Amino acid sequence: NAGVTQTPKFQVLKTGQSMTLQCAQDMNHEYMSWYRQDPGMGLRLIHYSVGAGITDQGEVPNGYNVSRSTTEDFPLRLLSAAPSQTSVYFCASSYGTENTEAFFGQGTRLTVV
Amino acid sequence: GENVEQHPSTLSVQEGDSAVIKCTYSDSASNYFPWYKQELGKRPQLIIDIRSNVGEKKDQRIAVTLNKTAKHFSLHITETQPEDSAVYFCAAPENTGNQFYFGTGTSLTVIP
Repeated sequence: NAGVTQTPKFQVLKTGQSMTLQCAQDMNHEYMSWYRQDPGMGLRLIHYSVGAGITDQGEVPNGYNVSRSTTEDFPLRLLSAAPSQTSVYFCASSYGTENTEAFFGQGTRLTVV
Repeated sequence: GENVEQHPSTLSVQEGDSAVIKCTYSDSASNYFPWYKQELGKRPQLIIDIRSNVGEKKDQRIAVTLNKTAKHFSLHITETQPEDSAVYFCAAPENTGNQFYFGTGTSLTVIP
């Protein structure tokens, strides 16, 4: 099992550009989520999905879109990048929607200039 | 939503000493409390978790205690080693269990 795979590992964007962060898991997990990690602020939930075709907003959803067309994939789209979106992004997945261990991807370090 | 507070933000201990990190939460319906360890440049990984029907759980040098009445839980690391140096995060779910709220992290440094 590869676990949770994120691409790319590093990315530099110009303000206003769009891009998609990819996330895939091979553990047949129903629940997937995206977090951003900023210094001193821990991990903050952006969007999550409890199964294919179902997505919902987390704590900080503005400026991001997601979709879940398959169980395996959960891409995160930045529509028009802003410097405030400079952060480290983590995708995570877990077996169920309640009270189970989250498995994280290796992270994407995004810089918006 | 859930509000999770974590203290201290930084902690330095001598090798062999104990380290304690504390978290409080606001949603009394929360019933699962994991702790994650993140080494520099790596992904967070679960090190221990506790469910609300248990007051304490141990795994070798690591233990977690939970006080549901006071709505706080703590991570205890005994006989610390340099490889314990990392950032530790607590987390708690909001009432549907669909969203986890993380603490702001504790950077632990174990001095050899």
